[in-house]
Amino acid sequence: QKEVEQDPGPLSVPEGAIVSLNCTYSNSAFQYFMWYRQYSRKGPELLMYTYSSGNKEDGRFTAQVDKSSKYISLFIRDSQPSDSATYLCAMSDSGAQKLVFGQGTRLTINP
Amino acid sequence: DARVTQTPRHKVTEMGQEVTMRCQPILGHNTVFWYRQTMMQGLELLAYFRNRAPLDDSGMPKDRFSAEMPDATLATLKIQPSEPRDSAVYFCASGLRPNTGELFFGEGSRLTVL
Repeated sequence: QKEVEQDPGPLSVPEGAIVSLNCTYSNSAFQYFMWYRQYSRKGPELLMYTYSSGNKEDGRFTAQVDKSSKYISLFIRDSQPSDSATYLCAMSDSGAQKLVFGQGTRLTINP
Repeated sequence: DARVTQTPRHKVTEMGQEVTMRCQPILGHNTVFWYRQTMMQGLELLAYFRNRAPLDDSGMPKDRFSAEMPDATLATLKIQPSEPRDSAVYFCASGLRPNTGELFFGEGSRLTVL
């Protein structure tokens, strides 16, 4: 079983919809949680970062971490065609500082 | 505009050939990662370095893969001999505080082994 599980999709929604992306993990030592966005034929780029449990909001994006359930989410409000990309969750503990990634969810926003 | 530079961007080679991929991390970054991305497995960590010292290469097939940082401006990933199952996109990433998500990726080297 992988340390981080993420549904690869694909996920297709109409423009303006609320998108929910999720990951589960098994390593209770993870304290740092990130979401990366990857456009086709590009490298991943950081979208949001959260330390420990709680919510973080940045514009149309909200990241949630529930350490008790080992579950993290990314919500996209008022989704736009430009949000079409692959979204990868990533996690790390404080010791090794190496990021473990989920498989990525391919998202398409249809105009 | 600081960025991680990877070469080559694309490589097609035949099974059994040696492949070397190079990465120039962002100046001043002390941590460098090599990842491999495939449709089936997603992004897998192969190896990473801090201050040029290898910290973890447990994700690499040891018999054919090797990773080095000959100096602070160059990281290399070598496959010898290459096999068709090595076909993937290889990403290099660098950062100062990777835990905080401050990890910057290059555009990747797309490898096809025939």
